[in-house]
Amino acid sequence: GQSLEQPSEVTAVEGAIVQINCTYQTSGFYGLSWYQQHDGGAPTFLSYNALDGLEETGRFSSFLSRSDSYGYLLLQELQMKDSASYFCAVRGTGSTLGRLYFGRGTQLTVWP
Amino acid sequence: EPEVTQTPSHQVTQMGQEVILRCVPISNHLYFYWYRQILGQKVEFLVSFYNNEISEKSEIFDDQFSVERPDGSNFTLKIRSTKLEDSAMYFCASIRTSGLGDTQYFGPGTRLTVL
Repeated sequence: GQSLEQPSEVTAVEGAIVQINCTYQTSGFYGLSWYQQHDGGAPTFLSYNALDGLEETGRFSSFLSRSDSYGYLLLQELQMKDSASYFCAVRGTGSTLGRLYFGRGTQLTVWP
Repeated sequence: EPEVTQTPSHQVTQMGQEVILRCVPISNHLYFYWYRQILGQKVEFLVSFYNNEISEKSEIFDDQFSVERPDGSNFTLKIRSTKLEDSAMYFCASIRTSGLGDTQYFGPGTRLTVL
């Protein structure tokens, strides 16, 4: 099966940088995704890493190290609106190709 | 920008009643999913659907659940006899292809409350 571990919560102040880590154990690996979810809202896709290294999308970056089964989401220039839950997720493989397995989520609170 | 839509946004029902949750996936997408999220917990996979049949279902998706694509646009999840523990947010998602780089897009969810 697939399991993902991430911290349950992180706090930071506006303008700061925060890193949310994710470690995973998977049978097969087809990339690590990150989703943002505001209270009561839908998970919104942020980024996807299939290969090692850093992917940058504006204020958000995501990193992957396949040899370490580890990735992180980096949020820069934090804004109040970034307060949300952030989930790492992996795709299923083989017969479960397509489904997403989610971590338990990291609640980010941004303080003024 | 195209988006996945879901109705209703909130459904309240009595235990033992049947409910149907509706989704309209993005129009050129071929793979459809239902997930649920119990309050404060992670998002859990229920079922995937492709080419008018179930591709995979989780252990949660028992005989009380069924899915259907009754026409070219709607994708429904039916719970035949709801239980208290079915109370959750239910998200529909769709993806254009099974390609690894493709992204699953989620709908806004239906909050199901079983009393």
